[in-house]
Amino acid sequence: GAVVSQHPSRVICKSGTSVKIECRSLDFQATTMFWYRQFPKKSLMLMATSNEGSKATYEQGVEKDKFLINHASLTLSTLTVTSAHPEDSSFYICSAPGAGGGNEQFFGPGTRLTVL
Amino acid sequence: AQTVTQSQPEMSVQEAETVTLSCTYDTSENNYYLFWYKQPPSRQMILVIRQEAYKQQNATENRFSVNFQKAAKSFSLKISDSQLGDTAMYFCAFMKPTGTASKLTFGTGTRLQVTL
Repeated sequence: GAVVSQHPSRVICKSGTSVKIECRSLDFQATTMFWYRQFPKKSLMLMATSNEGSKATYEQGVEKDKFLINHASLTLSTLTVTSAHPEDSSFYICSAPGAGGGNEQFFGPGTRLTVL
Repeated sequence: AQTVTQSQPEMSVQEAETVTLSCTYDTSENNYYLFWYKQPPSRQMILVIRQEAYKQQNATENRFSVNFQKAAKSFSLKISDSQLGDTAMYFCAFMKPTGTASKLTFGTGTRLQVTL
């Protein structure tokens, strides 16, 4: 099956710094990837849709200047949390649609961000 | 906008027993997909089962089956012969197919605990 990886799996940073999270489709190409945020014991909240070769589409209420998304190639999307603050601490998950029918999305293992 | 409701925050079932998780959704669309995803303690999202709205037959995957009632907008998940490894958070999700940018809308989740 299709595999999506994320790096790093955990990151701790100081308040005010920026953190980059990578999402890769390992054995398939993805022109679109999705970024989610998940708070403890809560559901996944879609933050943005990452589009290869064009600007990301952000969901309402998501600050595009704080959460920078770059879809540099058909297998890589990055999420950069700029000027991170403790309230940005969360679990971030990416997904990518598979090439086959059925509209299945394949999820990365997630990245836990802690901002001190 | 579509909404997905899971009215059971937590459920418990004994090993080898059967449990049903509820999900209702609201949409004006006629063509869509419904999914159940499992998120174990590792937090990796795993697809459990998928249902196309145009199919009247309920989807089945081994011990997992759904009861899809399109008119009632209900999509429950039945887990038979529950196993300890089924302990996880279960999310119901809705997707309106729009090509590669098809988004998932998740419910709030049901935490399932399988006990001895």
